[in-house]
Amino acid sequence: NAGVTQTPKFQVLKTGQSMTLQCAQDMNHNSMYWYRQDPGMGLRLIYYSASEGTTDKGEVPNGYNVSRLNKREFSLRLESAAPSQTSVYFCASSDSGGRNIQYFGAGTRLSVL
Amino acid sequence: DQQVKQNSPSLSVQEGRISILNCDYTNSMFDYFLWYKKYPAEGPTFLISISSIKDKNEDGRFTVFLNKSAKHLSLHIVPSQPGDSAVYFCAASDRIQGAQKLVFGQGTRLTINP
Repeated sequence: NAGVTQTPKFQVLKTGQSMTLQCAQDMNHNSMYWYRQDPGMGLRLIYYSASEGTTDKGEVPNGYNVSRLNKREFSLRLESAAPSQTSVYFCASSDSGGRNIQYFGAGTRLSVL
Repeated sequence: DQQVKQNSPSLSVQEGRISILNCDYTNSMFDYFLWYKKYPAEGPTFLISISSIKDKNEDGRFTVFLNKSAKHLSLHIVPSQPGDSAVYFCAASDRIQGAQKLVFGQGTRLTINP
């Protein structure tokens, strides 16, 4: 009964380093999403994948890339981390039906020094 | 420009009383509105939603009201309980190519006092 699982939970990077945030869901959902949450700004959509094999930019895609590896997994990559990417990152998934509910993972807290 | 706004960063309510959280939006094309609840160090969890064709949806202690002419929605919690203390996010849904793009407000921190 895991739902959406994100790894790692915490990460500290130096400016210029790269890393990949992993996300997997076990609810057989078609759509997956990556958000970032900054203080006072709510959650902002970085990238989304409507279905396996497709990805699209969200509101704040600059500095990020994504890969929809299969139906279950959707990863977020920072090629060259910057201090402005210090944030909490959330992955979510939803089905294609009418309920419009997204289910979120517990988040990855990333600090870029 | 922020399409979804929660103008109250925080709200404090006595246990047993009503909590009212407010949210305003600008885009009349949103098709669904949702409320999420978030505890520290956890992801947001879905609470309740309302379709843009409805004006009220009720689920137990939680009721969401939608006023389309004013582009305003509110979440009512009655009676408020200590476990309701959390950050509440309002979100609006824009469905594109089978995916659902959510636009979130800034959040309101609700504190229920015993």
